[in-house]
This record gives sequence, structure tokens and C-alpha cells, in this order.
Amino acid sequence: AQKITQTQPGMFVQEKEAVTLDCTYDTSDPSYGLFWYKQPSSGEMIFLIYQGSYDQQNATEGRYSLNFQKARKSANLVISASQLGDSAMYFCAMREPGGSEKLVFGKGMKLTVNP
Amino acid sequence: SAVISQKPSRDICQRGTSLTIQCQVDSQVTMMFWYRQQPGQSLTLIATANQGSEATYESGFVIDKFPISRPNLTFSTLTVSNMSPEDSSIYLCSVRGQGLLYGYTFGSGTRLTVV
Repeated sequence: AQKITQTQPGMFVQEKEAVTLDCTYDTSDPSYGLFWYKQPSSGEMIFLIYQGSYDQQNATEGRYSLNFQKARKSANLVISASQLGDSAMYFCAMREPGGSEKLVFGKGMKLTVNP
Repeated sequence: SAVISQKPSRDICQRGTSLTIQCQVDSQVTMMFWYRQQPGQSLTLIATANQGSEATYESGFVIDKFPISRPNLTFSTLTVSNMSPEDSSIYLCSVRGQGLLYGYTFGSGTRLTVV
């Protein structure tokens, strides 16, 4: 069974500093996709970044980058220059292989950005 | 990306009653999903809504409790039946389709409180 692990329940970071959110995954399939979502207190899920298992380069989207270490099965999200608006829950997810297109989510972690 | 209108945004319901949640997408999408997020927890997939046929339910979720309809490629409903306080959660619809690239778009969620 697919599994996503986020071990950090919460983190605090100072505004303008960089922060890394950890995510490890477990799958025996060579083809998979990894996602990061942000969920502010309002509840909506905001797509941040995607990494495909065959992608040669780490994904980047503005201030978000993904530190993809395939051999370690880790897909850590790096947020550069944190902003107060980055305070939210962050979820790592994996698309199940096999065509179902289902996403399996980790438990999430709460990021708090301090001024 | 697709824009999702999910209604209602929140509701307080009496135990034993049912609530139907609507998910309307502004474009045709191939895949629609319904998730539940219990308080302080991650997202758990309830079912995949299939156009023109019965939904595909995940383990632990049954059609009698969570009937789902998907009459076309832009609309789906989830009903939470015979509600109990344990059903208090955020319910989210999610879509994936052509033009969404890697990401899955989520509705803004329905915050349900059962009293």
C-alpha cells in the first residue's frame, strides 16, 4: 500500500527565512507523482508544486521548490523567504499508480511564520 | 485551471438528517473525487464519482451512508445520510482533467457540524 509520512507536527520560522518541510513516501511502483498542498485556516486546498518520478530536475514554482531524493524516497518542500501568509497546514500527497488518479495524503504539518 | 463551486460552504445539521453537498465545475473534467477531513486530520478519500455509473467507494465508506451522483462531466453531489456527530468534518470535492496539468483542483470545502 502507498504511504506518505510527514513526521513534523509543526514548525515555526521567522519571516523572510527559508524553511524545509519533510515528506517521505513508500511505493514499489516506478511511476508516481508527488504533490504539495497548502491549507490555510479557511479550509481550501491550494496546489503548490508537483514532482514526477521520472522528472530529471527538482520542481520549482516561485518561492516553492521540491528537494526530490528518489533513492531516499523523500520529497521535501522548501519555502524560501517565508511570508506571514505562508502560515497554514501543508500536506504532501502521492498519486496512486495504476490509473486510478487517487491522491493519498500525509498527515500534514502546521507551519507558523513569525514576524 | 478549473474553477469549482462547492455548496454549501458550511452547515449545522441535526443528527439523523441528511445533507447533500454540490460540486459544480466550470469545465468538463474526467475525474471527480470526494474527500473527508475530520477535525485535525488529513484528507481521506471517500469515493471516485463516475459519470453515468455508480461511484467507486474506498474501504470503510458505503453507498448507503454516502450516496454520490454524477450526472455529467461538470457536476456531482455527495449526500451524508443519517448523520451523527462523528460525521462532523470538512467535505471536499476535487477534480482532475485535461488542462489541469499535474494538479488537482479542490473545492473550497463544506464544513459540516452535526449536533
